[in-house]
Amino acid sequence: KNQVEQSPQSLIILEGKNCTLQCNYTVSPFSNLRWYKQDTGRGPVSLTIMTFSENTKSNGRYTATLDADTKQSSLHITASQLSDSASYICVVSPNNAGNMLTFGGGTRLMVKP
Amino acid sequence: EPEVTQTPSHQVTQMGQEVILRCVPISNHLYFYWYRQILGQKVEFLVSFYNNEISEKSEIFDDQFSVERPDGSNFTLKIRSTKLEDSAMYFCASRRDNEKLFFGSGTQLSVL
Repeated sequence: KNQVEQSPQSLIILEGKNCTLQCNYTVSPFSNLRWYKQDTGRGPVSLTIMTFSENTKSNGRYTATLDADTKQSSLHITASQLSDSASYICVVSPNNAGNMLTFGGGTRLMVKP
Repeated sequence: EPEVTQTPSHQVTQMGQEVILRCVPISNHLYFYWYRQILGQKVEFLVSFYNNEISEKSEIFDDQFSVERPDGSNFTLKIRSTKLEDSAMYFCASRRDNEKLFFGSGTQLSVL
């Protein structure tokens, strides 16, 4: 069964600190892995999309890594800001079709002043 | 940046009533989706729509659900006879070919 597991479930950090969120998946075949940011009561917003051949991708203070051999990904947030407080969701797809996306449960990040 | 627009943002209905959730996908997008997220749970796929027909649907999308693209801009999800367990945040999403998926802000449906 295709699964995406994220850790930790929740995380509290101080403003300005860095953090790393983890994602393990068992989706096969594999086409791409996406990280989304979801503010409370809002829809997910895409941060990064990585294909099988990509090891790392950055979007501002967000850097995602992918190890397709171990089926692990991480999202590193640098110099956190209060506005980074949100759920971060790892989503894996066996193809480009949005219907085949497998969503992780998310990591709820709270950045405190 | 272009947006997927969903209305209403909140919908409260009585069990057994019909509801229609509305979405306006990004104008040059070709693929349209409905997802739902029950409070505290993962986002779940409901249905995908391409070329004016359903391309795939999940087990959740039973006979009580239907989708329509009535006028080339709107994309609607209808639930004919709502149940308590239909209470969730419903997200519409769209994409152009091989590009990232854009989600709307969702409609929070509460069935009483």
